[in-house]
Amino acid sequence: SQQGEEDPQALSIQEGENATMNCSYKTSINNLQWYRQNSGRGLVHLILIRSNEREKHSGRLRVTLDTSKKSSSLLITASRAADTASYFCATVLFSNRDDKIIFGKGTRLHILP
Amino acid sequence: DVKVTQSSRYLVKRTGEKVFLECVQDMDHENMFWYRQDPGLGLRLIYFSYDVKMKEKGDIPEGYSVSREKKERFSLILESASTNQTSMYLCASSSPGTGDGYTFGSGTRLTVV
Repeated sequence: SQQGEEDPQALSIQEGENATMNCSYKTSINNLQWYRQNSGRGLVHLILIRSNEREKHSGRLRVTLDTSKKSSSLLITASRAADTASYFCATVLFSNRDDKIIFGKGTRLHILP
Repeated sequence: DVKVTQSSRYLVKRTGEKVFLECVQDMDHENMFWYRQDPGLGLRLIYFSYDVKMKEKGDIPEGYSVSREKKERFSLILESASTNQTSMYLCASSSPGTGDGYTFGSGTRLTVV
C-alpha cells in the first residue's frame, strides 16, 4: 500500500549546494512528514507539515506542500557532508485508534566534499 | 536521551530458530510498530499495537508474531526463522492524533543463516 514516492531515487551534489527532493502521494492526508536515515540506523523525524500549511522551515530545511498536486518537496540549503543520508517522506491520515502512516522508498542523498 | 531502544544492533541466527526482537520506549506512547526494511522495498509494516495486549497485522505479518504485555515493550517474534527474514528490523512508537511523527529505534540487522 505504497503512497509516498520520492524523486529522485538518488542524488549527488557538491557540498554547499542546495539539495531538493520531491514526494508525490495519491490520497488525502492530514499531514506529511520527512525523515532522515543514516546508513544502518533508524529513521529520525525531521519536520512535519500539516495539510493546511503550504511551507515550513526548520534551520536549513524548507518543506513545501501542494495538496492540489498531492506533492511535497524538501529543500536542504547549503548542504554539508553530514547531510549524506536517505530521506523519506511519510503521509499521515488520522483515524480513531492509530494514525495511518505510509512511507515512501526514499531518496539517497550523497554530498560530495 | 535514547527514547526507543532495540535490544540488539546485530543478530545472527540459524534457520529454524525462534527469535525474539525486543523494543522498549520511555515516552508513554500508546502505539508501537515493527517494520522491516529491505533494499528496493522500503519500509514494510509487519505488526502494530495501539494498546497493551492489542495487536493488528500490518502488510506482511506472515512468519511473525508480536507480544505487548506492557505499554512500554513490544516484542517481535520469528517463530521459525528463515533466510528470507534476513533484514533490518525497525521498531517505532507514536502517540495517536498528535501527528508528532514516529520515534524510531536504531534498528536490528538480523541475519538468518
